[in-house]
Amino acid sequence: RKEVEQDPGPFNVPEGATVAFNCTYSNSASQSFFWYRQDCRKEPKLLMSVYSSGNEDGRFTAQLNRASQYISLLIRDSKLSDSATYLCVVNPGETTDSWGKLQFGAGTQVVVTP
Amino acid sequence: DAMVIQNPRYQVTQFGKPVTLSCSQTLNHNVMYWYQQKSSQAPKLLFHYYDKDFNNEADTPDNFQSRRPNTSFCFLDIRSPGLGDAAMYLCATSRGAAEQFFGPGTRLTVL
Repeated sequence: RKEVEQDPGPFNVPEGATVAFNCTYSNSASQSFFWYRQDCRKEPKLLMSVYSSGNEDGRFTAQLNRASQYISLLIRDSKLSDSATYLCVVNPGETTDSWGKLQFGAGTQVVVTP
Repeated sequence: DAMVIQNPRYQVTQFGKPVTLSCSQTLNHNVMYWYQQKSSQAPKLLFHYYDKDFNNEADTPDNFQSRRPNTSFCFLDIRSPGLGDAAMYLCATSRGAAEQFFGPGTRLTVL
């Protein structure tokens, strides 16, 4: 089983619609969670951190469910510019063996269409 | 603006010809990372420096070496590139275990 799993998509979304997708993680002791956005042939860029209580940044909402070990990302009022691959990233903790070793999902592709 | 810079952005080398990729940062972060990313795959951590301490991943080939002469700079040396080493190489930085910030990457082609 992969440490971080995501539906690869693509999620085809009409402009203005809402899209949501999840990511599951295997290590129940994981410390922190992030969503990164990666455009084709570009570097990953931090979209938002995910907090236990859930958090919102403009049109983006992230949720964490520790009991079921998943995080989610919801995008409201989708824009054409939201088309990208969204990487789920998990920090497993700060033990000697795991320090600095972010666990990346392979990404969920979102395609927003006019 | 504070940032992570990678040079060159595109590097073409011949099979077996050594190549060096560079990364610099103005964020004053104490941790620097090198990742390899192939198409449609997640970034794969090669190694990282926590301050001056070098940490190699167990499955990173010996063909890959790194140097960090000071806080701002980090280099990735590929001693004898093979066709399988063609990839995007990403440098990232962080302050301790906080979120990581990535440079724009160097796309390596091996002929």
